[in-house]
Order: sequence, then C-alpha cells, then structure tokens
Amino acid sequence: QVQLQESGPGLVKPSETLSLTCAVSGYSISSGYYWGWIRQPPGKGLEWIGSFFHSGSTYYNPSLKSRVAISVDTSRNQFSLRLSSVTAADTAVFYCARLPHCDTSSCHGGGLYFDYWGQGTLVIVSS
Amino acid sequence: QSALTQPASVSGSPGQSITISCTGTSNDVGGYNYVSWYQQHPGKAPKLMIYDVSKRPSGVSNRFSGSKSGNTASLTISGLQAEDEADYYCSSYTSSSTLVFGGGTKLTVL
Repeated sequence: QVQLQESGPGLVKPSETLSLTCAVSGYSISSGYYWGWIRQPPGKGLEWIGSFFHSGSTYYNPSLKSRVAISVDTSRNQFSLRLSSVTAADTAVFYCARLPHCDTSSCHGGGLYFDYWGQGTLVIVSS
Repeated sequence: QSALTQPASVSGSPGQSITISCTGTSNDVGGYNYVSWYQQHPGKAPKLMIYDVSKRPSGVSNRFSGSKSGNTASLTISGLQAEDEADYYCSSYTSSSTLVFGGGTKLTVL
C-alpha cells in the first residue's frame, strides 16, 4: 500500500523559505509515476503547486514558478518542496501526492491526476 | 492558468441524484480526456473518485459517475447518502502539461 507523509515546520516567518518533505513508503519513487505538491488555504480550495518525475521532468504552477523548487532524494525515497519569500497568503495545508503520468500520444508529459495523497500538514506564515 | 468553474454548492435528499458541473476551456477540460474528481470531508485529505473523465478507482462506489461534453465535465452521484456530504473538486490536465483545479462544490445532503 502506497503511503505518503508530509513533515516540516508548522510556522514560518514572512519573507523566509518554507521547506517540507514527503516520505514515501510502499513504492519506490524511482520506479515511476510523477510525484507532486498541492496546497489548500484554510477554508479555500485546492491549488496544484508542481510535479516531478524521478528522471528530471518537472512542471510548476505558473503562478508560483518563480518561488518554487521541488527536489528528490531517491536514496531516502522522499521528495521536498521549497517555497521562497512567503507571505501570509501562503498559509495553507500542504499535501503531497502520487500522479499517474501521460504515456500516450493524447497528452504531452506531466502527471494526470492524484491517486494517493498524504494526510497534509498545516503551515502558518506569521511573525 | 484560470481555475475551473464549479457551482459553490449543491444539495439533494437521500436517494436522489445530483450533478456537479466543472467548466473549463479547450486548453484543459475540452482538449483532453483527463478530468478527475475528488471528495474531501472536513479535516481530511482529498480522495480520488473519478479519473480520465469517467473511470472509477477500485473501491469507489458505482453510485459515482463522470462524463464530459465540450468544455464541461460533470460528476453525478446517484442514490445520495448522508456520507456523500462533502466538498468535491474537479481537476484537469492542461495544454501546458500542468494541472488545474476547480474552486470546489459543497454538497449538502438534506
């Protein structure tokens, strides 16, 4: 059974960098699939942040692209999110997830949907 | 990329059927058969209910079904049950190889 678990500081100061890690068990990141991050501000909807494939393909939400970086540590079977220059508007529950990927001519790279999710972790941006 | 458009709320009585719409553009919903739907109960992580417009993951009740016409996708829940009360989100693959969510719909079972 695939399981994902987010971890990281629950409080980050404005202008600093938010860093989270997603530990994966039950499946090797190197074996395939895209992996990604989604966030949800309190009381609001879901927002896709970005996704990556272990071989290097990475896609980011255009609205966050300048501040986001996703990296992977295959030896630990985990991946990380860094979001820089945070403000109160970045306060949210952050989820990590696995994404089946495009493997036909009907699409052109990237993950297609989220089949396994972590439980989520709340990050508050406040001084 | 703009969020997909969903109604803010829908409601129905037990046993009835409801449909939630999800409207995008030819660059997302209309251009690809990669629309997915998620159910989220309060304080919980979203759960995949429908993928590839109309496919159900193993374990999801056949009371949930999906369809698409043009730039609008739909989620239908038949035989409404109290446990179906939740927030529902659609998502679509886009022409930029990115993903976009709808704003979410709150389903109330009367």
